[in-house]
Amino acid sequence: NAGVTQTPKFRILKIGQSMTLQCTQDMNHNYMYWYRQDPGMGLKLIYYSVGAGITDKGEVPNGYNVSRSTTEDFPLRLELAAPSQTSVYFCASSPGGGNTIYFGEGSWLTVV
Amino acid sequence: GESVGLHLPTLSVQEGDNSIINCAYSNSASDYFIWYKQESGKGPQFIIDIRSNMDKRQGQRVTVLLNKTVKHLSLQIAATQPGDSAVYFCAEKDAGGTSYGKLTFGQGTILTVHP
Repeated sequence: NAGVTQTPKFRILKIGQSMTLQCTQDMNHNYMYWYRQDPGMGLKLIYYSVGAGITDKGEVPNGYNVSRSTTEDFPLRLELAAPSQTSVYFCASSPGGGNTIYFGEGSWLTVV
Repeated sequence: GESVGLHLPTLSVQEGDNSIINCAYSNSASDYFIWYKQESGKGPQFIIDIRSNMDKRQGQRVTVLLNKTVKHLSLQIAATQPGDSAVYFCAEKDAGGTSYGKLTFGQGTILTVHP
């Protein structure tokens, strides 16, 4: 079972560079989320989507963009990388707005 | 905004002991409280949840207790095993029709189980 798959797993960016974190799920879930986790901290919601074509901001959306053209994919875009965006990023999905959210294994991003 | 926090950042126990991980929350309007386990290098994994109108819920080797009077949540793990070593997060789910399953996570407690 693939579940939620994120790529890349590790990436180093220079300040000002752009990149896209890819996320795909094969569970036909409507709801998808992007969280970031800073060292020793809990997860903070960046963006979420309740279905294809629908996205909304979470708690910490500044510096990020998302799109949801299909049910399966929910990429996260960093346009101008800043050191403050050094973090671990988790994509997640759920079948509805319930409590069982399935997380990917994370993408470690360092901005230098 | 509302926050969910943990009393103890680290907990060390011996294999076979029972573990209790605590969490304080501040949003009385939260609909659900959830516990997640995160192993090193992996994403969080759902353990158990409890609705705000309940005070206790049991799963396999785990029990969650909710005390709304003092806004306190705990996770009890029976007969703790080395495989239980991980970071445990409590989270609360936004109440209301537009919550879309958004969770607010606490800081996390590191549980270390010694053989």
